[in-house]
Amino acid sequence: GAGVSQSPRYKVAKRGQDVALRCDPISGHVSLFWYQQALGQGPEFLTYFQNEAQLDKSGLPSDRFFAERPEGSVSTLKIQRTQQEDSAVYLCASSLWAGAYEQYFGPGTRLTVT
Amino acid sequence: AQSVTQLDSQVPVFEEAPVELRCNYSSSVSVYLFWYVQYPNQGLQLLLKYLSGSTLVKGINGFEAEFNKSQTSFHLRKPSVHISDTAEYFCAVSSEGYSGGGADGLTFGKGTHLIIQP
Repeated sequence: GAGVSQSPRYKVAKRGQDVALRCDPISGHVSLFWYQQALGQGPEFLTYFQNEAQLDKSGLPSDRFFAERPEGSVSTLKIQRTQQEDSAVYLCASSLWAGAYEQYFGPGTRLTVT
Repeated sequence: AQSVTQLDSQVPVFEEAPVELRCNYSSSVSVYLFWYVQYPNQGLQLLLKYLSGSTLVKGINGFEAEFNKSQTSFHLRKPSVHISDTAEYFCAVSSEGYSGGGADGLTFGKGTHLIIQP
């Protein structure tokens, strides 16, 4: 079956531009996560949704980062006024239900801010 | 708070030789432990996980890992590596989450690049 998909796969933005990154989780998955992976580093947790509720946004690095999942399926991570330090791969993951342990990851969106 | 340390950033190994990738964690609560593999330009794929029970867990592609609570370690092993095992390997930890029984946001180590030499 279809896995987690993310779009776009690559995004180049000029500093100061706003960007929106999309995540389509596996159908029926309740939980959705966003991670940021800087070059040569492990992924770092950004935020977590259970259905449409954002239960944890403690990892969002600044108020320029905003995530939503209005209907409990597709999620969008928005970054306003992008900065060079925002350059990273943004990974989305989903899991079947809130108590499930395995997170299925998408291929990521590579964001480059010039 | 929890953290994960992967002691080796890069491990070169000859094909068909055994390999061990080291992972240590710190946490003040009970943890769940994972190993993920990341091939170039791809997302992470789960290799194996430890939730409870037997401390030796077996995963895909012939990998296994042993949970050692006293040493707070979860080292990954494979008895004989293949060229196709060349990838980045991440150890991750989570603790009991919002649901009272699940693992939520994962904390990852910095990764170990496994390089298989022919």
